[in-house]
Order: sequence, then C-alpha cells, then structure tokens
Amino acid sequence: SQQGEEDPQALSIQEGENATMNCSYKTSINNLQWYRQNSGRGLVHLILIRSNEREKHSGRLRVTLDTSKKSSSLLITASRAADTASYFCATDYRGANSKLTFGKGITLSVRP
Amino acid sequence: GAGVSQTPSNKVTEKGKYVELRCDPISGHTALYWYRQSLGQGPEFLIYFQGTGAADDSGLPNDRFFAVRPEGSVSTLKIQRTERGDSAVYLCASSADRWNTEAFFGQGTRLTVV
Repeated sequence: SQQGEEDPQALSIQEGENATMNCSYKTSINNLQWYRQNSGRGLVHLILIRSNEREKHSGRLRVTLDTSKKSSSLLITASRAADTASYFCATDYRGANSKLTFGKGITLSVRP
Repeated sequence: GAGVSQTPSNKVTEKGKYVELRCDPISGHTALYWYRQSLGQGPEFLIYFQGTGAADDSGLPNDRFFAVRPEGSVSTLKIQRTERGDSAVYLCASSADRWNTEAFFGQGTRLTVV
C-alpha cells in the first residue's frame, strides 16, 4: 500500500510561476523525502526533511512539514520548463521494518 | 562507480521464462533497495538489503521473486516463471545507511513479458 498521497495529481503552470505540491500521509514518520522523475525512469532525490524539522530549502525548492496534520508541501519557485517531471513524496514511517513508501506522484507541466 | 547501475536497461521475455536483473550500487553503500513501478504509479517496495542480508522482503509479491546480494555489493533480482503482470520498471536504489540518508536510484530495468 502507498502511504503518501500527493495532490494535485496533475499541475500545469506557466514558466516563472510558483508550483505548490502537497503530500499527506497516515502514520508517524522518521522523515519525508521528495523525489523527481523524468520519463518514468530513475528518481532523483530532492530534499529529505526529518520529523523534527518544519522547513528546509534547497535552491528554488522549499519543503515544509506539519506532523500534526501529517502533511508536507513542496514549493518550486520561479519554475522553468526543465522542471517538467513527476514528483513523488516518500515517507520513512516509524515501524519495525523501516522502508521508504512512495505516493502515486504529481505530474508537473511547466509551459514555456 | 559514479552512480547506481542497472542492467539490462530493457528486457523482453516470454511468459514462463526466468529473468535476472542486476543492480550495481554506489561503492561503499550498505543499504540496497529494489522497487517496482508500473505506469502511472509510484514505486512499490519489494526488498531491502543491509549488507548481505535481506532486512525486509515483505514487498516481494510471491515466491517467484527472489533477490540476493552475496558479497554485500551487487544484487540480483530473480523472477521465475514470468507472467505478463510482472511487466514493469524495476528500480534499484542504494544509500550509505538506512533511510535517514539520501537514496540514489538507478535508471531502472524495463521488463516486458510477452
């Protein structure tokens, strides 16, 4: 089963606009990670945020985590056509056998 | 190597045949993971190795699937009596330790069972 659920499922924006993607999860986590995937092949790690952190930045990326609401958001500022990809949140939930569980992903299209 | 390497990149096999998919992780990474991804879905966990041992194989769908990592580096995912439903992209990832560190993914093997 997939723990993280992203929304929206698809997002289309104009180049230069900001893109906000959300992820909700069900059980307590150790950390939450965001990945990007181009053309259905390898995933690229973007940001890892731990359960005791509330916000992290990396370049044009900003991730927030609200453990009380069991949700996270990924903000891409000043989007570029090259940001067009699928984005996944993945949760490392607290449990006997920790494993990274992915959501179904968000398809982001940035129009030039 | 510079990254996680998976071979072959594409594999077409006939229903009922046996296949092996190889993953070469980043040198020194002790944790290795196999995932399977179908079109339009997120990666689905299959198995996790810490060193040579399978720490968690709860995601393997049935006993036709098996994976090994005999020397704690290269891993092979083996699928017996392949079925059309096994068609997917099989992804391998490695990390320096377990999941509180960044995981690096290979480009995947696209398996097509005809």
